[in-house]
Amino acid sequence: GENVEQHPSTLSVQEGDSAVIKCTYSDSASNYFPWYKQELGKRPQLIIDIRSNVGEKKDQRIAVTLNKTAKHFSLHITETQPEDSAVYFCAASITGNQFYFGTGTSLTVIP
Amino acid sequence: NAGVTQTPKFQVLKTGQSMTLQCAQDMNHEYMSWYRQDPGMGLRLIHYSVGAGITDQGEVPNGYNVSRSTTEDFPLRLLSAAPSQTSVYFCASSPGTATYEQYFGPGTRLTVT
Repeated sequence: GENVEQHPSTLSVQEGDSAVIKCTYSDSASNYFPWYKQELGKRPQLIIDIRSNVGEKKDQRIAVTLNKTAKHFSLHITETQPEDSAVYFCAASITGNQFYFGTGTSLTVIP
Repeated sequence: NAGVTQTPKFQVLKTGQSMTLQCAQDMNHEYMSWYRQDPGMGLRLIHYSVGAGITDQGEVPNGYNVSRSTTEDFPLRLLSAAPSQTSVYFCASSPGTATYEQYFGPGTRLTVT
């Protein structure tokens, strides 16, 4: 089955700086790559996603890039704010009904 | 629109007991899934369904059963609880082939003693 690896496991940045989280996947058939944000004690919530026919997608301060050849994708958060502090998960899916998640990155934005 | 709902929010079981975690969605989504979340391990897929009457195993199905008799409901049954099943369980749904975006329920925190 698919194997998704996520790095780093923890990340601390100063408010206003950028944060980058990287994931790699093993199955070249994967074609959908979502990113979720999970605050403490809450449910995961989708923040951005990308399909394999697109190399980059941006939504305000958040962007995702995908390199199909290297089988990796990254989340970029610019101008970080304290409310960005949370755990972020990447995932990969082939069919949209089986998702394989990374182990999460705990992001802390220091005011 | 309640979205995805789960009951109970918290549950404590003794080893060997059985129980059912309930999940329901009111968005007419075709796809539904169950995940468990353990510290440092992300979310792992237990079982999933692509429509009423259709279920399949995910990464970690042992010790769990599911059924999908209606589009709305997708209960997860623990047959004989073990301490290794102590976890937070999330149910999720998505529309299906048109879009893969998953909506998660609020979770059930289960402790098995």
